[in-house]
Amino acid sequence: KAGVTQTPRYLIKTRGQQVTLSCSPISGHRSVSWYQQTPGQGLQFLFEYFSETQRNKGNFPGRFSGRQFSNSRSEMNVSTLELGDSALYLCASSFLGHAASPSGNTIYFGEGSWLTVV
Amino acid sequence: AQSVSQHNHHVILSEAASLELGCNYSYGGTVNLFWYVQYPGQHLQLLLKYFSGDPLVKGIKGFEAEFIKSKFSFNLRKPSVQWSDTAEYFCAVNAQTGANNLFFGTGTRLTVIP
Repeated sequence: KAGVTQTPRYLIKTRGQQVTLSCSPISGHRSVSWYQQTPGQGLQFLFEYFSETQRNKGNFPGRFSGRQFSNSRSEMNVSTLELGDSALYLCASSFLGHAASPSGNTIYFGEGSWLTVV
Repeated sequence: AQSVSQHNHHVILSEAASLELGCNYSYGGTVNLFWYVQYPGQHLQLLLKYFSGDPLVKGIKGFEAEFIKSKFSFNLRKPSVQWSDTAEYFCAVNAQTGANNLFFGTGTRLTVIP
């Protein structure tokens, strides 16, 4: 089955603009998480959605937001872009979204969206 | 909150050498542990995972990892590396009683020389 799909793959934005990134999880997966990857900070958790509700949020400013639709597809938005927002944004999905599930809960990543802010 | 330490930032090995990458985590409760690999220009792929049971877990491409609870460690090993193993390796953890988000280490870049 298809993996986690993210669009667009590459984009360039100007400081002050906003950007919306899209993620389609693996079919049947209900949990979608977003991560930011930069050379300096590594991989950092942004937020997680499950059944259209934000369940968890990382330590990022309010300019970073997201949502999840009824078909589990998710979008994240970054407003008032700053140069430091240049990063690879990764979407991940999992079936149960429950870390304590007996069979485990494997998290699968998409290829990411490369955002460059100039 | 959980945290993960990967002490080796860059490891250079010749083909056929043995590999061991260190990973230590900080959390007092029960955790799930993962190793992901990121090949140049590709997305994160799951190498192996540990949730419970046998602390020695085998993953894809001949990799294995051992969970040592007393040492809060989950080191990755491979007996004989290949040039194609050149990649960045990330250790990650989440708490079984916690939220479904991963805490990643800073990664270890592995370069295998043919």
